[in-house]
Amino acid sequence: ETGVTQSPTHLIKTRGQQVTLRCSSQSGHNTVSWYQQALGQGPQFIFQYYREEENGRGNFPPRFSGLQFPNYSSELNVNALELNDSALYLCASSLLAGDRETQYFGPGTRLLVL
Amino acid sequence: KQEVTQIPAALSVPEGENLVLNCSFTDSAIYNLQWFRQDPGKGLTSLLLIQSSQREQTSGRLNASLDKSSGRSTLYIAASQPGDSATYLCAVETNAGKSTFGDGTTLTVKP
Repeated sequence: ETGVTQSPTHLIKTRGQQVTLRCSSQSGHNTVSWYQQALGQGPQFIFQYYREEENGRGNFPPRFSGLQFPNYSSELNVNALELNDSALYLCASSLLAGDRETQYFGPGTRLLVL
Repeated sequence: KQEVTQIPAALSVPEGENLVLNCSFTDSAIYNLQWFRQDPGKGLTSLLLIQSSQREQTSGRLNASLDKSSGRSTLYIAASQPGDSATYLCAVETNAGKSTFGDGTTLTVKP
């Protein structure tokens, strides 16, 4: 167990809808990163939040957005869903600064867009 | 830009065989390298983590090595078993806490 949880575990949406995925980080971790894993590929970095501010983004459009809260929870929001947004979404928390810790990954949310 | 490549993409071996999975990365400025296992439809299970200052890590029948200067890591699995069948992913993490993954090697161990 990594101490990182995600909800829901599975989700089905239709094209054009909006979705919010949630992640609960390890206590004390000030950083959360989100990844998208399409079928047959390795996870791809979406963005990272550090102390509630976006701290780097991968090659994903603005309809992918996030929030990080002081209580170690975070959200990934995706607007105007497209069929190819169907994927496993992983969050990972870490501590950057001081006693640096590596990322710990959650179990993921599997999103299916119809 | 960091790129991670895993070779081969797929591997099929008979039970009991020893095998090596390969991972290469283009930027040696890494914080650590981690090997994961992923079963179909499931999330990631961390197998071994090697800090950038380390050369190898071992856990049971698994041994991972890291050569930062050449940008390579190997995962050695001894005496493979059918239960080892899964996709194995290699990921390098930067000092900024961002990971770049390879696309994985899908291993099938035949009884």
